[in-house]
Amino acid sequence: DTGVSQNPRHKITKRGQNVTFRCDPISEHNRLYWYRQTLGQGPEFLTYFQNEAQLEKSRLLSDRFSAERPKGSFSTLEIQRTEQGDSAMYLCASSRDRVNSPLHFGNGTRLTVT
Amino acid sequence: AQSVTQLDSHVSVSEGTPVLLRCNYSSSYSPSLFWYVQHPNKGLQLLLKYTSAATLVKGINGFEAEFKKSETSFHLTKPSAHMSDAAEYFCVVSDPGSSNTGKLIFGQGTTLQVKP
Repeated sequence: DTGVSQNPRHKITKRGQNVTFRCDPISEHNRLYWYRQTLGQGPEFLTYFQNEAQLEKSRLLSDRFSAERPKGSFSTLEIQRTEQGDSAMYLCASSRDRVNSPLHFGNGTRLTVT
Repeated sequence: AQSVTQLDSHVSVSEGTPVLLRCNYSSSYSPSLFWYVQHPNKGLQLLLKYTSAATLVKGINGFEAEFKKSETSFHLTKPSAHMSDAAEYFCVVSDPGSSNTGKLIFGQGTTLQVKP
C-alpha cells in the first residue's frame, strides 16, 4: 500500500489559465473521489468514479471543471479559465468497492489563482 | 439528507488532560460515521469508524467515540492529550443514498490545540 499520490503538491497560476491535476489511487481501489477544501472548511465532494465511469458530479462542479479516469486507474482534474475563487486544496481519495470501505486520501494539490 | 455539525470550531486543552470533540449528525438512514484527522501539510487520516456494530468505537492513537442514537451524537474522546494530537478533526457521515457510492459528507472541522 503506497498510498494515494497527488501531483503537483502546489500550483500557482494566473487567472484565466487552465490547470490539470493528477491523482494515482491505491492500485486495487475501484472507487475514486475528488474533493475541494477551502481555508477553514471541511472538504466538499466534487465527483466520484467507479472504475472508469464517472457516476456522480456535485453541483459545485461548474462547466469549467472536468475529471477523467480513462483506464480506471489514475485520474485527472482539469480546471479551465481559472478564477480566483478556484483557489483551494484539491483532494483525491480512493477506496475499495465495498460498503463502508474507508476512504484513503492523498496529501492534496494546493491551487493558488492570482 | 445527511449532515454533521461540529459544535466547537476550536478546542484548547493542556497536555495530559482529557479531550472531547463534539459532533451531532442528521441522517434519514442508519448512518455510518467517521472521524478523520488532518495534520498540517498532511493528508486526511481515518481515526475510527462506526458502522452499526458496537456503539463504542475504538480508534488509533487512543481515541474513541460513542454513537448515541437518542442524542444523534458521535463525540470523539481521548483520556489524555498529547502534544502530537494538535490538528484539525473532522466528523464525517457517509451518504449511502440509493447508489451507495461511499461519498462522505464532512463537518466544518474542530481545531484541537494542546498546550504544554
